[in-house]
Amino acid sequence: QQQVKQSPQSLIVQKGGISIINCAYENTAFDYFPWYQQFPGKGPALLIAIRPDVSEKKEGRFTISFNKSAKQFSLHIMDSQPGDSATYFCAASGAGGTSYGKLTFGQGTILTVHP
Amino acid sequence: NAGVTQTPKFQVLKTGQSMTLQCAQDMNHEYMSWYRQDPGMGLRLIHYSVGAGITDQGEVPNGYNVSRSTTEDFPLRLLSAAPSQTSVYFCASSWQGANTGELFFGEGSRLTVL
Repeated sequence: QQQVKQSPQSLIVQKGGISIINCAYENTAFDYFPWYQQFPGKGPALLIAIRPDVSEKKEGRFTISFNKSAKQFSLHIMDSQPGDSATYFCAASGAGGTSYGKLTFGQGTILTVHP
Repeated sequence: NAGVTQTPKFQVLKTGQSMTLQCAQDMNHEYMSWYRQDPGMGLRLIHYSVGAGITDQGEVPNGYNVSRSTTEDFPLRLLSAAPSQTSVYFCASSWQGANTGELFFGEGSRLTVL
């Protein structure tokens, strides 16, 4: 059973546009919500993350919006660039020592930014 | 600093063959884990370890064995490969000073089972 659902599966935007990827989770014990970026032939790399006590986190052109009551969170990429073309995964993990290294991932979104 | 190193990068097996995917990290991380990545399913946790000598099952452990004799190494063994194990496998590590979901991934091992 997929505990983190991600949409859309693929996304095409023009250079300079806004890319938006959405995720929804079921387990209210999740305590940490990272986004990972993966380029072809490479492993995923942590991009940005948020905790449920914060509604928004911004790092450069990347912003996470978090809605705890709706159990939803989203990634916004402003001024999208061709170099942002990659697969993006949302994920969730629990709190405490037993949760280290144990992530539940969404299905992934393939983002293509056209020049 | 190499980070997380996986070998081999590519492997083709016949059904029923066995093999070991190697994973090593040089960051002295306590936590290590194995994920498999399949199209449309994201990454799913196979096995994980919280330290040398301690391992446990993840979401999809069937058909895989692990052991952790040292902090650095966490090999994944396929005892009798099946076509359903065709996938890209990622090893990851983490440490207690980081957030629980902050993982460092290797570059992956692409396995094809015929």
